Amino acid sequence: GESVGLHLPTLSVQEGDNSIINCAYSNSASDYFIWYKQESGKGPQFIIDIRSNMDKRQGQRVTVLLNKTVKHLSLQIAATQPGDSAVYFCAETASDYKLSFGAGTTVTVRA
Amino acid sequence: EPEVTQTPSHQVTQMGQEVILRCVPISNHLYFYWYRQILGQKVEFLVSFYNNEISEKSEIFDDQFSVERPDGSNFTLKIRSTKLEDSAMYFCASSAMGSNQPQHFGDGTRLSIL
Repeated sequence: GESVGLHLPTLSVQEGDNSIINCAYSNSASDYFIWYKQESGKGPQFIIDIRSNMDKRQGQRVTVLLNKTVKHLSLQIAATQPGDSAVYFCAETASDYKLSFGAGTTVTVRA
Repeated sequence: EPEVTQTPSHQVTQMGQEVILRCVPISNHLYFYWYRQILGQKVEFLVSFYNNEISEKSEIFDDQFSVERPDGSNFTLKIRSTKLEDSAMYFCASSAMGSNQPQHFGDGTRLSIL
């Protein structure tokens, strides 16, 4: 199954299911977007990025979708595993230097 | 895999004291950043640094804050006179280039002001 919807601060997923984490951004000038994973006591870990001239990009078990019309970004995780439990942040930038982070979604994987 | 390293992992300081947080960015990276994260909140940009000067800074980064790259490997954040509200996780990040390149983060320094 999948969990899709508006941005939620928490997401509980059954192990093996697919996860979808949503993010809305506000700056229409943003041209580069990154998803980060943050585990307890650690710094943000890069997962995948996408430039504004693309609407989809795939990595290993992860896919990022970008809808510039509605300023929406999503991260799909296939076959969610216990090690995927973490806080996930989207980040955007419209400049060379400054990342603006979203509020984060806490993903909990149920065995 | 190369990584950003930060020291110390936890710093406890009396209010009003100076504190220096240290970072070793990834060796071939040219852009350096500091962010902070107050407990339970999102990550906030403080400052970016390139070619030995500040590229951009946020309104949080007032004149109590300074950054320095004292040698070819370290990148430091100094807070001159700490306040209680400076208590947070401070993350250093670096990127190979500035534009359209992922920033890679260290595991942070937890700063506790008493």
